[in-house]
Amino acid sequence: DAGITQSPRYKITETGRQVTLMCHQTWSHSYMFWYRQDLGHGLRLIYYSAAADITDKGEVPDGYVVSRSKTENFPLTLESATRSQTSVYFCASGGRGSSYEQYFGPGTRLTVT
Amino acid sequence: ELKVEQNPLFLSMQEGKNYTIYCNYSTTSDRLYWYRQDPGKSLESLFVLLSNGAVKQEGRLMASLDTKARLSTLHITAAVHDLSATYFCAVEMNRDDKIIFGKGTRLHILP
Repeated sequence: DAGITQSPRYKITETGRQVTLMCHQTWSHSYMFWYRQDLGHGLRLIYYSAAADITDKGEVPDGYVVSRSKTENFPLTLESATRSQTSVYFCASGGRGSSYEQYFGPGTRLTVT
Repeated sequence: ELKVEQNPLFLSMQEGKNYTIYCNYSTTSDRLYWYRQDPGKSLESLFVLLSNGAVKQEGRLMASLDTKARLSTLHITAAVHDLSATYFCAVEMNRDDKIIFGKGTRLHILP
């Protein structure tokens, strides 16, 4: 499928478990981003990546790990999930070098019990 | 650290009226984005503003950027119910590539 996809779309997990959210884009965009969206906070940047093997922290990186071994994939791992990480997670690609347009995936709704 | 402030955060308006959403940011940036989000959906790109004085229009929406004032506006002309959504501005920092969002303006247009 063309575009940007996220999986799973919905996930329920228990406190302390490791969870990985997947993001895949087919445009070969250099830049990819992870955001979380919570009521009252808008979207907050967790991590971003300028290219394969280059990642940087955003506003709220604690408790999250990312990797980018291939340009098209940018997985986000919660090493030990906490209830405060219950949120909707959006992946995006684009930005600089892609007419500056940023394209968002459909989101993953994560609930930590 | 870059701060992006939108106001108002909530706006209820009548169809046919005009209104403006404001986006202020705290550090130097030459690139600003506007997005629309419908309830339960992802974000849709509306405008990308790349330079001081940039103005873009699409239908009843017009966005502008004043980098000296660190201000962008999203103007709605003769609002219609279909424009009801949450609108976000986002700013890209000059010194790195972070894109930081405002908290969003929830727009409700009454028929």
